[in-house]
Amino acid sequence: GAGVSQSPSNKVTEKGKDVELRCDPISGHTALYWYRQSLGQGLEFLIYFQGNSAPDKSGLPSDRFSAERTGGSVSTLTIQRTQQEDSAVYLCASSSGQGLLPLHFGNGTRLTVT
Amino acid sequence: DAKTTQPPSMDCAEGRAANLPCNHSTISGNEYVYWYRQIHSQGPQYIIHGLKNNETNEMASLIITEDRKSSTLILPHATLRDTAVYYCIVRVRTTSGTYKYIFGTGTRLKVLA
Repeated sequence: GAGVSQSPSNKVTEKGKDVELRCDPISGHTALYWYRQSLGQGLEFLIYFQGNSAPDKSGLPSDRFSAERTGGSVSTLTIQRTQQEDSAVYLCASSSGQGLLPLHFGNGTRLTVT
Repeated sequence: DAKTTQPPSMDCAEGRAANLPCNHSTISGNEYVYWYRQIHSQGPQYIIHGLKNNETNEMASLIITEDRKSSTLILPHATLRDTAVYYCIVRVRTTSGTYKYIFGTGTRLKVLA
């Protein structure tokens, strides 16, 4: 079946521009996570959505970062006024609930800010 | 604020067992240990998870010490395709009831021919 899909796979943008990154989770998965992975580093938690509950935004690094999840499915991560330090791979993962079921990751969006 | 520590890199001969250690000395009683791996340019892939009993599936075995302060992932017969970064993760339940998977920097496993 279809896995987690992220688009675009690569994005190059100029410093100061806004970008939107999209995540299509596995159908029926209620939990959705965004992570950021800088070159050679581990994954940094950004934000978590669970059903209709208020998202856990505790990992967002600044107010330039925001995310939405419409209709409990597709999610968009928006970075405003991009900076060079925002360059990283942005990974999305989904899971079918709050239980023990593991996360399924997409292959990420590689963002390069020039 | 990763709750796990792992060696940065390991080598293993092809066909041998790869034993990847992880320390999670501050783990709480209801926090699970998960293992994922990440092959270059792909998203992390789930391997196995456990609470306090040893676990085995078609990919690997997970050995958790009795005090739960450490665990070992075992790939019984490593192949070249097992070369990847392996992450040991503690799943943390927050006060708001959400779950966070806190990733560290992982162990870069290189399987040698």
